[in-house]
Amino acid sequence: KAGVTQTPRYLIKTRGQQVTLSCSPISGHRSVSWYQQTPGQGLQFLFEYFSETQRNKGNFPGRFSGRQFSNSRSEMNVSTLELGDSALYLCASSLQPGGGQETQYFGPGTRLLVL
Amino acid sequence: QKEVEQDPGPLSVPEGAIVSLNCTYSNSAFQYFMWYRQYSRKGPELLMYTYSSGNKEDGRFTAQVDKSSKYISLFIRDSQPSDSATYLCAAGWGNKLVFGAGTILRVKS
Repeated sequence: KAGVTQTPRYLIKTRGQQVTLSCSPISGHRSVSWYQQTPGQGLQFLFEYFSETQRNKGNFPGRFSGRQFSNSRSEMNVSTLELGDSALYLCASSLQPGGGQETQYFGPGTRLLVL
Repeated sequence: QKEVEQDPGPLSVPEGAIVSLNCTYSNSAFQYFMWYRQYSRKGPELLMYTYSSGNKEDGRFTAQVDKSSKYISLFIRDSQPSDSATYLCAAGWGNKLVFGAGTILRVKS
């Protein structure tokens, strides 16, 4: 069974631009969560989607948004990029929603660099 | 204060050593605890998952939780160069899961 895939793997943008990242979960998984990983803050939860509905949201500004499609694929968008948005963005899928109570499988991440 | 604190390391040990990785947490509501391993250029993968205080063993890995002191540990016996990775602890309750910043481990052959 194929794992979680994320595209693109690497991205360079400039301040003020917007970016869209894509995540395809493991086949049959309907829950997708997004995380931001930085050396100083570690892994921070952005949001979780299940059946095209946002179930949970972390403490990030409104510039960070996401959506999920009927095939469970998910996208996240960051508008008006700031230097501090440079990070590894990880997507994780699970069969059911429920945060850490459900085993999550992570993708390799998209490394975003904002110049 | 972060809810889950973890020393970032790096921690460098010789092959065969016993490794001890530790985290502390501040929220007494946390009910379940996890350890993830993350290799370079990969996403984290779940190593250990426990609900209760005490020890849980899986091969060379032992997870220990002490709820009274809010302390989480991961022990690796007979460490191998292939164990070189970043280890992330996590604690959660309900739908909330909080990760530590991760400890970089280097096992030298």
